[in-house]
Amino acid sequence: QKEVEQNSGPLSVPEGAIASLNCTYSDRGSQSFFWYRQYSGKSPELIMFIYSNGDKEDGRFTAQLNKASQYVSLLIRDSQPSDSATYLCAVNRYDSSASKIIFGSGTRLSIRP
Amino acid sequence: KAGVTQTPRYLIKTRGQQVTLSCSPISGHRSVSWYQQTPGQGLQFLFEYFSETQRNKGNFPGRFSGRQFSNSRSEMNVSTLELGDSALYLCASSLTGGDNEQFFGPGTRLTVL
Repeated sequence: QKEVEQNSGPLSVPEGAIASLNCTYSDRGSQSFFWYRQYSGKSPELIMFIYSNGDKEDGRFTAQLNKASQYVSLLIRDSQPSDSATYLCAVNRYDSSASKIIFGSGTRLSIRP
Repeated sequence: KAGVTQTPRYLIKTRGQQVTLSCSPISGHRSVSWYQQTPGQGLQFLFEYFSETQRNKGNFPGRFSGRQFSNSRSEMNVSTLELGDSALYLCASSLTGGDNEQFFGPGTRLTVL
């Protein structure tokens, strides 16, 4: 089982609709959860982070965390063509006393006009 | 505030050579993490440096090494290059590392011939 799992996609969503991206993680001790957006040929860009169970909203983006189910999701409302990118879910993991960030393989999102 | 910078942006080397990549974090950030990104393996954690000490390490061979200077700038070195080392090498800057938000530089694209 991968530590951070995402559906690779592509996920195709019509412009203006809600895009829903999902991620599961294996380490119950994880405390920090991140969503990055990566355009082709560019480096990842942090768009959301969440530490507590529940929802966190920032503009058109909502991150949802359910630690009991080890599940984190990202909703993008009013999807725009510029949202077409790969979305990476990242979760912290503790090794001995040190923490590191583990990334999922990403979900490719395509917004069709 | 200036972002994370990485040099060089592109590099072409031949098998057996060695290479040194440089990363300057965001001012005030003391943690630098390095990642390797390939189409097949995604983003793989190499190591993290904080206050000039390697705090965490991924599952890469000893040919991959790094260091951090007192001004938080970091370098990573790959010796005896192999074809499979061709990848995008990303560094990420964080205030204190661990489970804090990370901000990525533009990356160094390494091609090994």
